[in-house]
Amino acid sequence: DGGITQSPKYLFRKEGQNVTLSCEQNLNHDAMYWYRQDPGQGLRLIYYSQIVNDFQKGDIAEGYSVSREKKESFPLTVTSAQKNPTAFYLCASSPTWQGYEQYFGPGTRLTVT
Amino acid sequence: QQQVKQSPQSLIVQKGGISIINCAYENTAFDYFPWYQQFPGKGPALLIAIRPDVSEKKEGRFTISFNKSAKQFSLHIMDSQPGDSATYFCAASAGGTSYGKLTFGQGTILTVHP
Repeated sequence: DGGITQSPKYLFRKEGQNVTLSCEQNLNHDAMYWYRQDPGQGLRLIYYSQIVNDFQKGDIAEGYSVSREKKESFPLTVTSAQKNPTAFYLCASSPTWQGYEQYFGPGTRLTVT
Repeated sequence: QQQVKQSPQSLIVQKGGISIINCAYENTAFDYFPWYQQFPGKGPALLIAIRPDVSEKKEGRFTISFNKSAKQFSLHIMDSQPGDSATYFCAASAGGTSYGKLTFGQGTILTVHP
């Protein structure tokens, strides 16, 4: 059963805590992406990785960090420096490094209070 | 220049009607234009995509029309069904150093009444 998995579906944290969101894909895709979605808005790119052990900042990288140590995994850490961390976080992957076709996981809804 | 402007914000259509959602862009380097469908609480699903070398692409009831000179593209949903009720996003990306960096529109909430 191939696909992109994100866990957990819902995550609750206290302000000031770092939290790591999981993203795994077994599609053998080269590239992986993290987006943030706020209510009534489009998706905004946080970080992306076109190849293992390499990643680039997207449009809203401040307060986030990532790693890409394995092809199938691209975890996102939301740090305490992120001023408005409550959001719906979406991971995507693409078959090639060019990223033209991106397929999304089910998302993790993070609530920080 | 990286923006993609989407309209309308919301759309109500009767079953069997045609739903039309429009997007406009400024960045002439954009060379890939996908549309995504998202149901509440789910991740977006890739519906259909087009490159600037064609003016129209059809897949089933979904058609993208592309106007390169006007820098606009639109999604047409023919014979709209209640199951099509969802939020639709257009997006665009460019090559070069921007490979894979999708810029999304704000989304259109489509409601199809039975």
